[in-house]
Amino acid sequence: KAGVTQTPRYLIKTRGQQVTLSCSPISGHRSVSWYQQTPGQGLQFLFEYFSETQRNKGNFPGRFSGRQFSNSRSEMNVSTLELGDSALYLCASSWTSGGPNTGELFFGEGSRLTVL
Amino acid sequence: AQSVTQLDSQVPVFEEAPVELRCNYSSSVSVYLFWYVQYPNQGLQLLLKYLSGSTLVKGINGFEAEFNKSQTSFHLRKPSVHISDTAEYFCAVIRASGSARQLTFGSGTQLTVLP
Repeated sequence: KAGVTQTPRYLIKTRGQQVTLSCSPISGHRSVSWYQQTPGQGLQFLFEYFSETQRNKGNFPGRFSGRQFSNSRSEMNVSTLELGDSALYLCASSWTSGGPNTGELFFGEGSRLTVL
Repeated sequence: AQSVTQLDSQVPVFEEAPVELRCNYSSSVSVYLFWYVQYPNQGLQLLLKYLSGSTLVKGINGFEAEFNKSQTSFHLRKPSVHISDTAEYFCAVIRASGSARQLTFGSGTQLTVLP
């Protein structure tokens, strides 16, 4: 079974630009979560989607947005990029949103964004 | 809200020696606990989890952890480490019930196994 696939793996943008990152979850997984990982702040939750609906959102500005499609694939978008947005963005999928196994996430390898 | 404290940011240890990575959490409600591992240039992988029942849980690659409710700890242990265990380890918690839950991670512990 294929794992979680994130594209692109690496990208470089300049301040003020926008970026879209893509995530394909494991087949059959309906929940997709996004995390930002930086050396200073560690792993921070961005949002979670389940069946095309945003179920949960972290404490990030409105420049960070996401969506989920009917095939469970998800995208996240960051507009008006700032230097501080440089990070590894991790996507994770799971069977369900809620339930006893919530927390058992399957992570992709991440998209490393550098903002110049 | 929940929080996780990983007491050691870096743990160097010689190959075949035992290791313990410490994790303490804070929560006013029941939680589930997890350890994840991140190898260089990779995503996170679940090592083990505690949901309920026996407080000693065994995971992959010979790791185990013990849940201690009174001390709000969930320390990770391995009796004999290998070079291949070099990675960053994250402790995480999630509320056991309710809606709109998400994993809260600790700041991570870099385990370096020396030859």
